Amino acid sequence: AQTVTQSQPEMSVQEAETVTLSCTYDTSESDYYLFWYKQPPSRQMILVIRQEAYKQQNATENRFSVNFQKAAKSFSLKISDSQLGDAAMYFCAYRRDLNAGNMLTFGGGTRLMVKP
Amino acid sequence: KAGVTQTPRYLIKTRGQQVTLSCSPISGHRSVSWYQQTPGQGLQFLFEYFSETQRNKGNFPGRFSGRQFSNSRSEMNVSTLELGDSALYLCASSFGTDDAEAFFGQGTRLTVV
Repeated sequence: AQTVTQSQPEMSVQEAETVTLSCTYDTSESDYYLFWYKQPPSRQMILVIRQEAYKQQNATENRFSVNFQKAAKSFSLKISDSQLGDAAMYFCAYRRDLNAGNMLTFGGGTRLMVKP
Repeated sequence: KAGVTQTPRYLIKTRGQQVTLSCSPISGHRSVSWYQQTPGQGLQFLFEYFSETQRNKGNFPGRFSGRQFSNSRSEMNVSTLELGDSALYLCASSFGTDDAEAFFGQGTRLTVV
């Protein structure tokens, strides 16, 4: 079974600074997808960024980027120029290849606080 | 276009009762997945429906069941409620097998007293 581990229950960053959230996962699959989701107090999960395992290039979405290390099974999220609106719970998630259906395995989450 | 809609948003039930939660996916989406979120266990996958068929099932007791209708709307049912079933229940929809992105609703907060 796949497992996803987020070792940082809480992180804090100063506004405009950069912060990196860690995620490791365990799988025997070669094709899979990795995601970072943000859950603000409104509770709705919002997709921040995704990475296909077959792509060597790290995904980037504006201020958000990942460091995907397939051999090490590591998938960290870097948030640059942190904003107050970035404060939320962040979840790392794993999904097997598309043929396995839409089943996400989540990590335990990291609460990010942004200080003004 | 409209997002994923979950109803009701909040629910209070008594131990032993049953409850039905509803999820309306984004128009055109055929896959609906359900997750339970609790402070102790985190986010756990319940089940997934695709074109009215259960495609995947998580490790939950048989008291948890679901179904999907021909318009892709889905319901989940929990029978004989226990205090430990108190949780946020999230629904996610996606287009289908060729789309890796899941869109989530705002959830239903179930409290069992």
